[in-house]
Amino acid sequence: NFMLTQPHSVSESPGKTVTVSCTRSSGSIASNYVQWYQQRPGSSPTTVIYEDNQRPSGVPDRFSGSIDASSNSASLTISGLKTEDEADYYCLSYDATHWVFGGGTKLTVL
Amino acid sequence: EVQLVESGGGLVKPGGSLRLSCAASGYVFSTYSMNWVRQAPGKGLEWVSSISSTGNHILYADSVKGRFSISRDDAKNSVYLQMNRLRGEDTAIYYCARRPFFDFDYWGQGVLVTVS
Repeated sequence: NFMLTQPHSVSESPGKTVTVSCTRSSGSIASNYVQWYQQRPGSSPTTVIYEDNQRPSGVPDRFSGSIDASSNSASLTISGLKTEDEADYYCLSYDATHWVFGGGTKLTVL
Repeated sequence: EVQLVESGGGLVKPGGSLRLSCAASGYVFSTYSMNWVRQAPGKGLEWVSSISSTGNHILYADSVKGRFSISRDDAKNSVYLQMNRLRGEDTAIYYCARRPFFDFDYWGQGVLVTVS
């Protein structure tokens, strides 16, 4: 099985841009889609990015996703940070027999 | 409106069993894969199990394989998780989630399972 590694926490000021990484331990990051979920305290997760870089309707275009095959990682970038973006963010991908979540990144907007 | 409502959680002793249910509404249940995801207190998300729309393709996390069993009843628009030989580390909020392709696009509110 593979693992997805995320930084435990990131912080940035309102209006700035932050990037959260998600590195796959084995197998190519480009071979299986990566999804990103936002989870606010006490709430269920919601999708902010699916299939590497697609945004569900209702998610602002401040959220974007990308894949970097050279580092075998995916990234979630949030621009124009707002206090409401403060939450935990999880990446998700899969192989033939398992789905795997990253450990999660706590985003603080201060 | 798509809704997923979990039930069946509670307090159980180590070694005991519990059956979780997830009732779906607002869409054609039989055409979607379904998943269970759990979250231990203060911890991250952990995928538990997946069942395809036909019920023919079932997957489990290594941590629950041989102890948990997923099933679905399309006539009742429901997916189930039978949990046997429960351990303390199974204590978590359990979410069911719909998966059209690669995205877990709708989640329930979750149900708490406490093994103690």
